[in-house]
Amino acid sequence: QKEVEQNSGPLSVPEGAIASLNCTYSDRGSQSFFWYRQYSGKSPELIMSIYSNGDKEDGRFTAQLNKASQYVSLLIRDSQPSDSATYLCAVLTGANNLFFGTGTRLTVIP
Amino acid sequence: SAVISQKPSRDICQRGTSLTIQCQVDSQVTMMFWYRQQPGQSLTLIATANQGSEATYESGFVIDKFPISRPNLTFSTLTVSNMSPEDSSIYLCSVGSGSSQETQYFGPGTRLLVL
Repeated sequence: QKEVEQNSGPLSVPEGAIASLNCTYSDRGSQSFFWYRQYSGKSPELIMSIYSNGDKEDGRFTAQLNKASQYVSLLIRDSQPSDSATYLCAVLTGANNLFFGTGTRLTVIP
Repeated sequence: SAVISQKPSRDICQRGTSLTIQCQVDSQVTMMFWYRQQPGQSLTLIATANQGSEATYESGFVIDKFPISRPNLTFSTLTVSNMSPEDSSIYLCSVGSGSSQETQYFGPGTRLLVL
């Protein structure tokens, strides 16, 4: 079982819609969770971090964490073509190792 | 967040040769990390480099193949030794931030093609 699992996509949404990206993890001791955005040919860029159960909002982005279900998600409201990228979920395990998922490729269609 | 630069940004190398990648940070950082991202794949941690100590390598990576230096708190190098086409990848350095260094910020990466 992989430490962090994501649906590889591609996920296509129309411009203005909500994009929902999901991630599950295996280590129940994990305490820190991150979403990175990676444009093609570029390095990952941190967009959100979340540490507590519930929602955390930052502009058009909302991260959701459910530790009981070992599930973390990222919602992008009012999706824009510039949001088209691969989104990587990263989880810091109880052993202080940061594991990345394989990423979900998002395409926002104008 | 810290500003991170890497050199070279890309290179094409012949098999059997070695390449040293440099990572420079504009502020002092405790922990620096080296990752590999193979085409279409996610990031795999190669090693963690702390200043003043030997790098800690992840399973599947060895010092003879990927020697790392960390001479001070703003600089690190990763050498890819005796390269083969399977080493073709993007190599990224990152720096830790936060009370437990749990948040990582990435450099722009080095795109390596081995022929």
